[in-house]
Amino acid sequence: GAGVSQSPRYKVAKRGQDVALRCDPISGHVSLFWYQQALGQGPEFLTYFQNEAQLDKSGLPSDRFFAERPEGSVSTLKIQRTQQEDSAVYLCASSLVGITEAFFGQGTRLTVV
Amino acid sequence: KQEVTQIPAALSVPEGENLVLNCSFTDSAIYNLQWFRQDPGKGLTSLLLIQSSQREQTSGRLNASLDKSSGRSTLYIAASQPGDSATYLCAVSDGGSNYKLTFGKGTLLTVNP
Repeated sequence: GAGVSQSPRYKVAKRGQDVALRCDPISGHVSLFWYQQALGQGPEFLTYFQNEAQLDKSGLPSDRFFAERPEGSVSTLKIQRTQQEDSAVYLCASSLVGITEAFFGQGTRLTVV
Repeated sequence: KQEVTQIPAALSVPEGENLVLNCSFTDSAIYNLQWFRQDPGKGLTSLLLIQSSQREQTSGRLNASLDKSSGRSTLYIAASQPGDSATYLCAVSDGGSNYKLTFGKGTLLTVNP
């Protein structure tokens, strides 16, 4: 596609509910990243994929967070048993390879009530 | 741990002014530095990417400089326009995990007509 596409754009979840956020990277981009942006803060790294391999998940805040990219294209970030502190914008980015310029999607705004 | 600081946190200027946004980082062993723009409710748009071996990059009315040894970068915007109003984010990728971006909190720029 023309850019990185994320869905849904907005998600309201009740505390304790599981959510799944989707990212469609730019076609042909090998690397895919997830970032979390809390209100008034800069984005913070969550995880990194090269093709289908998750090479770095050091930024995932807890074991309730899980990301996958099974075919090396579309990725899903899953959050189990959502908590209020999970409320944030979740940004996905892709790049040709890890060290080149990253292109970001518009993000999914998650609100946990 | 790399830390990125942006000054000022917010800036309001009249249309037509030239302005400078500042970014500093604590670990000078970076791979590259990027400046992004974020509009309200939107994702990040990459403005300029400077490799660690470069001193500056220019795109239209934007000029970014990098002084790696002192851990500083500036984004210069010439002849500002109301459409430049947005949050500007600085991010560095470390020499080690060079795919991972560490962001500052951003500078909120308002250009008044």
